[in-house]
Amino acid sequence: GQNIDQPTEMTATEGAIVQINCTYQTSGFNGLFWYQQHAGEAPTFLSYNVLDGLEEKGRFSSFLSRSKGYSYLLLKELQMKDSASYLCATMDSNYQLIWGAGTKLIIKP
Amino acid sequence: DAMVIQNPRYQVTQFGKPVTLSCSQTLNHNVMYWYQQKSSQAPKLLFHYYDKDFNNEADTPDNFQSRRPNTSFCFLDIRSPGLGDAAMYLCATSRDTGANVLTFGAGSRLTVL
Repeated sequence: GQNIDQPTEMTATEGAIVQINCTYQTSGFNGLFWYQQHAGEAPTFLSYNVLDGLEEKGRFSSFLSRSKGYSYLLLKELQMKDSASYLCATMDSNYQLIWGAGTKLIIKP
Repeated sequence: DAMVIQNPRYQVTQFGKPVTLSCSQTLNHNVMYWYQQKSSQAPKLLFHYYDKDFNNEADTPDNFQSRRPNTSFCFLDIRSPGLGDAAMYLCATSRDTGANVLTFGAGSRLTVL
């Protein structure tokens, strides 16, 4: 079956670094997306990885290892506005998106 | 600004009373999607359109219908809402199928009394 696993909730301190992990099992693989979703709002696109390695975009970086079925989202210099849910989604061989339930990130002062 | 707009943002209905949610886009994207998302859960794809070609997910209940009269607009009709249909309904678009980024609307939160 197809499955995405990510932690339900994480807590971090303002100014610190946090890593949100995502493991996946899908039928084929056409890339992995990370979206940010603030409470009561729509998801917004953060990153897309299809090749192994690290993609850096400002304070946010995303890593992919296809052989391990593993990705992480790294957030640096955390700000209070980063409090949100972070959704991992993979695209299978039919280009169907398989979504994780999201990781709720709580930032404390 | 090009965007995806959903109306209404908040909808309250009574059990069994039909509801229509609308979505419009100025991105001229070919693909439009309707997702249902319940609290702390993954978005669940209900339907998608590639242009006017309609694709229904196998496990989408018959209670849910959709229309796309033109490229810009898409509607979600819930014929007889039940308590279990209370959720956030997200409309999204993408330029094409394949590995394209989805652009989401702000969502319509449905409450069923």
